[in-house]
Amino acid sequence: GESVGLHLPTLSVQEGDNSIINCAYSNSASDYFIWYKQESGKGPQFIIDIRSNMDKRQGQRVTVLLNKTVKHLSLQIAATQPGDSAVYFCAENWNNNAGNMLTFGGGTRLMVKP
Amino acid sequence: GAGVSQSPSNKVTEKGKDVELRCDPISGHTALYWYRQRLGQGLEFLIYFQGNSAPDKSGLPSDRFSAERTGESVSTLTIQRTQQEDSAVYLCASSARRGNTEAFFGQGTRLTVV
Repeated sequence: GESVGLHLPTLSVQEGDNSIINCAYSNSASDYFIWYKQESGKGPQFIIDIRSNMDKRQGQRVTVLLNKTVKHLSLQIAATQPGDSAVYFCAENWNNNAGNMLTFGGGTRLMVKP
Repeated sequence: GAGVSQSPSNKVTEKGKDVELRCDPISGHTALYWYRQRLGQGLEFLIYFQGNSAPDKSGLPSDRFSAERTGESVSTLTIQRTQQEDSAVYLCASSARRGNTEAFFGQGTRLTVV
């Protein structure tokens, strides 16, 4: 995955356009992936998830794509709205002997221009 | 409680003082994570607890940082001899031990060292 603690890359899109946010994950044993949205002043919140036996999952205006061959995850937001402006984090989950372990990517800031 | 609870929500402390931050996870969640998030940056992993297993402390930035967890309940993050560089939002998250399940975040503690 991406290094943590770094300055956030920014994706700027026009209101109404589609947004694509990308994430590279690190562990080929990861079996579950999540996208989180963090609005200003709040903790990250779940948007959508996908299991490793799937390559695509759709929600309301959001789609997550998983490419296990290259260990890549993407989040697509259709018809981006001002309320979508936030920081987006991907997370990968794998199971060690003790239980679930979730690791977060570095995040991307999405800015929606009116 | 209904969600992950962190206290205090805000803390202002003088440089050199010790601070203690508290996290109450969701009942039944065996996994607990602490993250640090500096202004405008991503999530910096600090420490991970999973049940009664030895915690993963690999993210703690210095020996001034320590964390404890009582069984599978409350966790405290302690920062000794605080420095201005410790100013950040400290986020706690919890999740279940097994299965494809998300981690739930608290609202964070905003720490300001003056």
